[in-house]
Amino acid sequence: EVVMTQSPATLSVSPGERATLSCRASQSVNSNLAWYQQRPGQAPRLLIYGASTRATGVPARFSGSGSGTEFTLTISSLQSEDLAVYFCHHYNNWPPRYSFGQGTKVDIK
Amino acid sequence: QVQLQESGPGLVRPSQTLSLTCSVSGGSIRTNSHYWTWIRQPAGKGLEWVGRIYTSGSTTYSSSLKSRVSISIDTSNDQFFLNLTSVTAADSAVYYCARTSYFDSSDYSVTHEAYDIWGQGTVVTVSS
Repeated sequence: EVVMTQSPATLSVSPGERATLSCRASQSVNSNLAWYQQRPGQAPRLLIYGASTRATGVPARFSGSGSGTEFTLTISSLQSEDLAVYFCHHYNNWPPRYSFGQGTKVDIK
Repeated sequence: QVQLQESGPGLVRPSQTLSLTCSVSGGSIRTNSHYWTWIRQPAGKGLEWVGRIYTSGSTTYSSSLKSRVSISIDTSNDQFFLNLTSVTAADSAVYYCARTSYFDSSDYSVTHEAYDIWGQGTVVTVSS
């Protein structure tokens, strides 16, 4: 099983500042990596798939990068509505292998 | 647009079976382009992939839950279902149903999958 480790656990960022979230895989997952945003009390929302492709309707301030074992989600200019927990997710359709990171909570400073 | 809605008992007794329904509206569940997936989240914790089903009825389950979980589908009523047997307190969680979609990479060399539509989740507590 691929273990996904996210850091930091909590990130406090001032509005307008950049937020950088990390996700590390215990073995190479190529670019089979997605990011999800979960606002308080809500279901997760797809942000990024294929490590760097924004999903439909996702603001351009969200960007993903990386491949292999190291991945980054960047929020270029934090907005108040970005207060949320962000999860990375490794997927492999065949053989089916799926694992989530434990999440990074983004607080507004 | 397509929406998903979970339903089922909020309280299940230990050792009993947890049964949930996901109802799909705004579109048909009879599509060749999607899997239909269950994901759960214990209170204050991360997400756990439970399993998925295709329109044909083909299923894939989490290796850690495989002995206790089954997912089925009713294409006539645009619903799919989750059954989890012999539950314990560790199965208490918010259970989400989600649509799995597939996206080609820019050079069409890789197909990526993602959960692009989610239900709002349903809380299930296992307690006597």
